[in-house]
Amino acid sequence: GAGVSQSPRYKVAKRGQDVALRCDPISGHVSLFWYQQALGQGPEFLTYFQNEAQLDKSGLPSDRFFAERPEGSVSTLKIQRTQQEDSAVYLCASSLFVGRGTDTQYFGPGTRLTVL
Amino acid sequence: SQQGEEDPQALSIQEGENATMNCSYKTSINNLQWYRQNSGRGLVHLILIRSNEREKHSGRLRVTLDTSKKSSSLLITASRAADTASYFCATDVRETSYDKVIFGPGTSLSVIP
Repeated sequence: GAGVSQSPRYKVAKRGQDVALRCDPISGHVSLFWYQQALGQGPEFLTYFQNEAQLDKSGLPSDRFFAERPEGSVSTLKIQRTQQEDSAVYLCASSLFVGRGTDTQYFGPGTRLTVL
Repeated sequence: SQQGEEDPQALSIQEGENATMNCSYKTSINNLQWYRQNSGRGLVHLILIRSNEREKHSGRLRVTLDTSKKSSSLLITASRAADTASYFCATDVRETSYDKVIFGPGTSLSVIP
C-alpha cells in the first residue's frame, strides 16, 4: 500500500546499544513527525521536519536522540547509548502540507523498542 | 507535556450502546481532531472540528466543541465490537513556522459483543 511504513516493527536492545529506526512517509508528503508513545499514554511529540529541514526538535528527551531526513523523504531516528526509560513505541507520521493544524497526519504502525 | 485530557480513561459498553468520550484542553486552539488507535497499530484520523464550529457529524461519529469550556466530546452511536480501540483528542498549538499537534492521554474503549 501507499501508507507510512516503519522498520523494524520490533527492536530489542541491550542498555548502552545504539539503535536506528526508519520511517518511510507517504510519497510527496512535506511534513514528517516523530512521536514517542509510552504504554497507556498518548503520543508525545519528539521532532518535526518540513522537507529536509528539521524545524522543531524541542521534544527530543536528550542529546542521545537524533533525527534526520536528508533528502526530504525517508527519515531515521537514532538513539545512542539506549537506556531502559527509552523503551516505548516510536511513531512516525506524515502530512501533505506544511504543518497546518487542519492537516491530517497519517501514522505508521510504529516501532516498539524494548531496552533490557 | 500534553494539552488535552480525555475522560474517562477507560470505558466498557455493550455492543449497540452509545459511547461518549470527553476531552478538555488548556489553551486556545484553532482546531481539534480525534484519532483512533487499534491495539498495536498506528493512529487513524477520525474527524476534525474547527474552533468556530460547535458540532460535526461523520457516519456514526458526532463531535461537539465548546470553546468557552475548552472541551470537546466524541459520541459513537450504535457501537460495534470493531470500535474497540483507544481514542485520542489532539489540539494544535501555533509555533513559529507550523502548528504543533498535541495529543491527550486517550480513552480506552471496549465494546463487548
